[in-house]
Amino acid sequence: RKEVEQDPGPFNVPEGATVAFNCTYSNSASQSFFWYRQDCRKEPKLLMSVYSSGNEDGRFTAQLNRASQYISLLIRDSKLSDSATYLCVVTRRGSGYALNFGKGTSLLVTP
Amino acid sequence: DVKVTQSSRYLVKRTGEKVFLECVQDMDHENMFWYRQDPGLGLRLIYFSYDVKMKEKGDIPEGYSVSREKKERFSLILESASTNQTSMYLCASRNPGPRQETQYFGPGTRLLVL
Repeated sequence: RKEVEQDPGPFNVPEGATVAFNCTYSNSASQSFFWYRQDCRKEPKLLMSVYSSGNEDGRFTAQLNRASQYISLLIRDSKLSDSATYLCVVTRRGSGYALNFGKGTSLLVTP
Repeated sequence: DVKVTQSSRYLVKRTGEKVFLECVQDMDHENMFWYRQDPGLGLRLIYFSYDVKMKEKGDIPEGYSVSREKKERFSLILESASTNQTSMYLCASRNPGPRQETQYFGPGTRLLVL
């Protein structure tokens, strides 16, 4: 089983739609969880951290279920500028808390 | 504002050449990392360093070495470049500890080995 698995995508949605991405991770000892966004030919950038109680940042809502080892990201009222690849990211103990990345889910928001 | 810089955005080298990729961060971070990103494989950890002169292998260290002589600088070395090392190389840094603290990435170096 891969360390971090995501929906394969791609997701093509119209502007204004709500879209959800899911992710599972295999290491139950993982401590920190993130969603990163990566634009074409650019470096990954932090979108938001994911907390056990769930957290929201504007149109973005992240949820974590430690029992199921499941992470989600919900984007409401999609904008054209949301088009990007979304990476589910989990830290691992040791390795200087290096990151394990999912392969990413591509989102294309169309007019 | 955290800044991680990489010496080159694009690099073309020949098979067998020794290649140096440089990374500098200005936030006094202790931990630094080198990843490579390939289509269909995602980002994979090559090496990391948790302090000056300290280094540890990641998941795919073969064919690579690293150097960390100063806290702000972490170099990735391809001892003898091969075509399967053609990739996007990303450097990152963070402060240590298990808290919810993210890594900051440099803009990446696209390396083509001919």
